Amino acid sequence: EAGVAQSPRYKIIEKRQSVAFWCNPISGHATLYWYQQILGQGPKLLIQFQNNGVVDDSQLPKDRFSAERLKGVDSTLKIQPAKLEDSAVYLCASREGAYNEQFFGPGTRLTVL
Amino acid sequence: SQQGEEDPQALSIQEGENATMNCSYKTSINNLQWYRQNSGRGLVHLILIRSNEREKHSGRLRVTLDTSKKSSSLLITASRAADTASYFCATEETSGSRLTFGEGTQLTVNP
Repeated sequence: EAGVAQSPRYKIIEKRQSVAFWCNPISGHATLYWYQQILGQGPKLLIQFQNNGVVDDSQLPKDRFSAERLKGVDSTLKIQPAKLEDSAVYLCASREGAYNEQFFGPGTRLTVL
Repeated sequence: SQQGEEDPQALSIQEGENATMNCSYKTSINNLQWYRQNSGRGLVHLILIRSNEREKHSGRLRVTLDTSKKSSSLLITASRAADTASYFCATEETSGSRLTFGEGTQLTVNP
């Protein structure tokens, strides 16, 4: 079974530039999550989708971050404009049903200079 | 905000020894999960224990959950150098399906 795919794996940008990350969850997984993991910390949930609807985006900085999950499969996360403090690993995860394990992708390491 | 707090923040042991990591949380939970993260990689799910369970085993892993104390422990027996990684506990609250992670324990197993 293919795992959660993310691209790119690494991205370096200047502050105030824009960047987008892509995630393809495990086939059949209705729930998709984006996390931000700053170095030395645990992952923090940014947004949760159930199919193509947003379930929880309470921790998403909506002035600069946006995410969508068109057709309830792939998802993109965008930052516009980026700040230095956005440097982190962005993890995508998916799961099949409620209250069970999440499967994580390898993450995208973003460096903002 | 982070709910889970792992203890210790860092642990260094010799191969063959047991490693114990603890996690405390604050709210009512549906389940508690432990994940491992190797440097520069994604998280790998290790074990899930539901709020009505007290202990669970998986290979060399043993997890306990004490809901009265709002705490959990992860025991890795007969550790190996390959167990070197960061270990995170994550809680899923009864009020929703958000998974809230702690700050993690960095385990180093010396050969």
